[in-house]
Amino acid sequence: NAGVTQTPKFRVLKTGQSMTLLCAQDMNHEYMYWYRQDPGMGLRLIHYSVGEGTTAKGEVPDGYNVSRLKKQNFLLGLESAAPSQTSVYFCASSYSRIRHNEQFFGPGTRLTVL
Amino acid sequence: SQQGEEDPQALSIQEGENATMNCSYKTSINNLQWYRQNSGRGLVHLILIRSNEREKHSGRLRVTLDTSKKSSSLLITASRAADTASYFCATDARTGGYNKLIFGAGTRLAVHP
Repeated sequence: NAGVTQTPKFRVLKTGQSMTLLCAQDMNHEYMYWYRQDPGMGLRLIHYSVGEGTTAKGEVPDGYNVSRLKKQNFLLGLESAAPSQTSVYFCASSYSRIRHNEQFFGPGTRLTVL
Repeated sequence: SQQGEEDPQALSIQEGENATMNCSYKTSINNLQWYRQNSGRGLVHLILIRSNEREKHSGRLRVTLDTSKKSSSLLITASRAADTASYFCATDARTGGYNKLIFGAGTRLAVHP
């Protein structure tokens, strides 16, 4: 039982490049989330999904897109990376609201945009 | 906008001492959770306290919730060097119909041997 995994762990991009971050969970969770964490700040929600085929915007969605084609995977895309997107990105998952909403986090992806 | 605000921002103590961290929030909540983050790692859920609960224990952790003051505290008793980490409170606010948490900026705890 791997829990929540993220790929890649580190990445350096040049301004304007694109990339996709992959999140996978093996706990059969309905809800999945993408956060970013910047120094001195808590986690800020980028996008989330309440089930396969559904996505919604969070607090800071601009510059990012997501897809949830399979229940176990949640992809975060950067179409044209900017230095302001330098951050650590965390994926999380949780059961539906029927059960308590403890979130399980992946180990993070450290992204630098030059 | 952040729902939870932790206090202090940083805390340095000796092993064996107790560590207390506080969290204040702004709106009504369903529950409040505390998470720990070790350096370079993801967050790990520690404890959840529901809005109708006032105190909860888990091992060396004690969490209190005062909904009238919109505040919570996390007490770690008999701290150990392994408790060195950042601690975040997260609120599940009564807005919207989905499972969204809002995190504070965290308290950095350093426990010295």
